[in-house]
Amino acid sequence: GENVEQHPSTLSVQEGDSAVIKCTYSDSASNYFPWYKQELGKGPQLIIDIRSNVGEKKDQRIAVTLNKTAKHFSLHITETQPEDSAVYFCAAMITDSWGKLQFGAGTQVVVTP
Amino acid sequence: ETGVTQSPTHLIKTRGQQVTLRCSSQSGHNTVSWYQQALGQGPQFIFQYYREEENGRGNFPPRFSGLQFPNYSSELNVNALELDDSALYLCASSRTELLSYGYTFGSGTRLTVV
Repeated sequence: GENVEQHPSTLSVQEGDSAVIKCTYSDSASNYFPWYKQELGKGPQLIIDIRSNVGEKKDQRIAVTLNKTAKHFSLHITETQPEDSAVYFCAAMITDSWGKLQFGAGTQVVVTP
Repeated sequence: ETGVTQSPTHLIKTRGQQVTLRCSSQSGHNTVSWYQQALGQGPQFIFQYYREEENGRGNFPPRFSGLQFPNYSSELNVNALELDDSALYLCASSRTELLSYGYTFGSGTRLTVV
């Protein structure tokens, strides 16, 4: 089955700097890659996603890149703010069958003022 | 438009007992999935329900079972609770024909087994 690895497990950045989180997946059939932000006491919230027919997607300060050949995708957060502090999860899914999300282990991001 | 709501928010049970967790889907969503999130880990897929039937299951034993009702709400039942069942249980809903648009997650039920 699909296996998603996520690095780093923790990331500390100064406010205003950029943060990058990287994930790799094992199943070449995966074609949908969402990123979730989870704050303490809350469920995961979708922040951005990318499909396998797209190499890059950007939404304001957040961008995601996908390299299908290498089977890895990355989340980039620019101009980080204290409210970006949270746990971020990458996930992979095959959308032409029932939709099981395979999550990475998560990255704890801490943005210090 | 209401989001995904789960109840209760917290629950403490004794090993060997049974528990039922509840989930109301987001308006317009007809598919419900359940995930288990152990402390410090990513969510793990338990199963998915569509049209009141289970149509996908992860690596969880049969003592984990579920139901989906005609209004698309859902229940997760766990029998013979074990200490390792302590976790945050997340419900997520989606529109089946738009799976690639992703899920909406609830805030979860924190289950503690003692």
